[in-house]
Amino acid sequence: DSGVTQTPKHLITATGQRVTLRCSPRSGDLSVYWYQQSLDQGLQFLIQYYNGEERAKGNILERFSAQQFPDLHSELNLSSLELGDSALYFCASSTHLGTGGYNEQFFGPGTRLTVL
Amino acid sequence: AQKITQTQPGMFVQEKEAVTLDCTYDTSDPSYGLFWYKQPSSGEMIFLIYQGSYDQQNATEGRYSLNFQKARKSANLVISASQLGDSAMYFCAMRDSGAGSYQLTFGKGTKLSVIP
Repeated sequence: DSGVTQTPKHLITATGQRVTLRCSPRSGDLSVYWYQQSLDQGLQFLIQYYNGEERAKGNILERFSAQQFPDLHSELNLSSLELGDSALYFCASSTHLGTGGYNEQFFGPGTRLTVL
Repeated sequence: AQKITQTQPGMFVQEKEAVTLDCTYDTSDPSYGLFWYKQPSSGEMIFLIYQGSYDQQNATEGRYSLNFQKARKSANLVISASQLGDSAMYFCAMRDSGAGSYQLTFGKGTKLSVIP
């Protein structure tokens, strides 16, 4: 158990809908990262938050957004869903921003999204 | 350009034998970190081992060791005494400090199958 929790574990929805994925980082971790794992794109970085502020954006679609709340949990919002958004969405957390050194990222169990 | 290359889509190894999973990387940043993660069929991402670009010695964690050849930009994972439970996808990942973020860039993975 990495200490990172993600809910829900599975999500099935229809095209055009909007969903929210939730992540609680390990206790004390300030950085949260979101990754998408799909069959054709592999594991891709979406977005990073550090202590409530957005720090970096990767290949995140405009239909997707995220935020990190004062209690450090994070939510990833996916809207106008398309079939191609079906994927495993991971949240990871690390202790600090990452100014060198180890800064291992601990991954949650993932949310499997199926868009029908 | 792809930053992490794993050229072996699938590998087979006999139980109790050693196996090497290949990973090459590309970065112009002198400070970077290399990670290996294991993803069993259940889907979670399990951290295995880390190597920093300035580390003088190859990293080891139990049965896992990382064969780091900086000049060749390779970071191969060696699993000794393979066990049936080692059957999984293995991902090599790199963290560099480019653009001030510390997200991981993943390779496409290698599927390891351990044969009894």
